[in-house]
Amino acid sequence: DAGITQSPRHKVTETGTPVTLRCHQTENHRYMYWYRQDPGHGLRLIHYSYGVKDTDKGEVSDGYSVSRSKTEDFLLTLESATSSQTSVYFCAISRQGAQETQYFGPGTRLLVL
Amino acid sequence: GESVGLHLPTLSVQEGDNSIINCAYSNSASDYFIWYKQESGKGPQFIIDIRSNMDKRQGQRVTVLLNKTVKHLSLQIAATQPGDSAVYFCAEIRETSYDKVIFGPGTSLSVIP
Repeated sequence: DAGITQSPRHKVTETGTPVTLRCHQTENHRYMYWYRQDPGHGLRLIHYSYGVKDTDKGEVSDGYSVSRSKTEDFLLTLESATSSQTSVYFCAISRQGAQETQYFGPGTRLLVL
Repeated sequence: GESVGLHLPTLSVQEGDNSIINCAYSNSASDYFIWYKQESGKGPQFIIDIRSNMDKRQGQRVTVLLNKTVKHLSLQIAATQPGDSAVYFCAEIRETSYDKVIFGPGTSLSVIP
């Protein structure tokens, strides 16, 4: 998985609770991404980062926030989890942005009850 | 609207046969394409990529063909093996959206021993 870890790998939570997912890379890549994957939708971009403290929204950013205080860590926070946020979340990294290959982590499976 | 899609959502092939997975894209401005393989419970794994200035690119047992005239992309897997069973995604990257990748919904390849 190209030096990318995600934690936790599985989580069950209740509606209305905050949840933070962590992505950690050892490749020193500049770009990091959070995607969610749902049946019938493929991978959809939530947020991405192009450097420390530099982030931008993707196509499905509502209800999510991110932070990147160090090159190696990119956090995804669900401020108040909803059942519609039940999904598999993938982190990805790339050296120079989308014009170079993105490498994916193993994923986090989140269930919101 | 702009989209990346797959003609066949499922594909079953006999072990040893060649597999062809197809993908259509709608934006002629797209200039970079990637094929990913995703095994059950894992993150997408890079297989091969191609840029718009090429028509064909070969890897180990895999070939990607790009037909810009009809906006079509295909992945050919030679001598398909049971380990090739997975979901395959094509991805489209548009120069004007350099930090975003649009993924197709995926094709499930099943190899019959």
